[in-house]
Amino acid sequence: AQSVTQLGSHVSVSEGALVLLRCNYSSSVPPYLFWYVQYPNQGLQLLLKYTSAATLVKGINGFEAEFKKSETSFHLTKPSAHMSDAAEYFCAVSKTDLFGNEKLTFGTGTRLTIIP
Amino acid sequence: DSGVTQTPKHLITATGQRVTLRCSPRSGDLSVYWYQQSLDQGLQFLIQYYNGEERAKGNILERFSAQQFPDLHSELNLSSLELGDSALYFCASSVAEGPYEQYFGPGTRLTVT
Repeated sequence: AQSVTQLGSHVSVSEGALVLLRCNYSSSVPPYLFWYVQYPNQGLQLLLKYTSAATLVKGINGFEAEFKKSETSFHLTKPSAHMSDAAEYFCAVSKTDLFGNEKLTFGTGTRLTIIP
Repeated sequence: DSGVTQTPKHLITATGQRVTLRCSPRSGDLSVYWYQQSLDQGLQFLIQYYNGEERAKGNILERFSAQQFPDLHSELNLSSLELGDSALYFCASSVAEGPYEQYFGPGTRLTVT
C-alpha cells in the first residue's frame, strides 16, 4: 500500500535558517506526491505537487521539494525561514485504485516552529 | 480563500445525537472529499464523491454517511455521536478524478459532549 512517513513531528528553526522537513514514501509505482500546509485554525493549502514531470518542484512561499527515487524521499525545503512559515506541514501520496478512484494518504504531519 | 465553503464552523452537540455538515465545492469542481482530523488519528480520508456518485471510501464508520447533490454540494451525516467523534471535519474538492490537487475548506469543528 502506498504511504508516507514524516520524520520528526516537531521541527524548530531560527528565522533566516534553512527549513528541511522530511518525507519518505513507499510505493510500488511512481507516485504522485504533495505537500500541504495548515496554518492555525485553517484548512490545508497545497504548497506543491510532484507528478513525474520534474524531480525538483517549486511551490508557493519559496518552498521546494526534490523527488529522489533512489532514496524514496520527497523532502521539503526553504532556504530562509520566516516567522510566517510557522504551521503544520503534511506530506501526502496519491493512490489511484483499479477503478481510477484517487485517494490521498497523508503523513502524520510536522509542526514547524520558527525561533525569532 | 480556497473557494470551498463549509458550514457550520463550529458545532457542539451531545452524545447520541445526529448532525449534518455541509460543503460547497469550488465552482467547476466535480469531486468532493471528506476528511476527519483528530489528535490521535491524524488526517483520515473518509469518502469521495464525483458528480453525485460515491467513488471511494476510506475509514468511514457505518454511523456516518454522505451524499453529493445535483448542484454538487455535499453533506456529511454523523449519527449516534460518541465522544470520540469530536474532531475537525474537512471537505475538499478537485476538478476531476485522478491526482489533481485538492482544495480544502476551512473545516467544521465538532465537539461532542
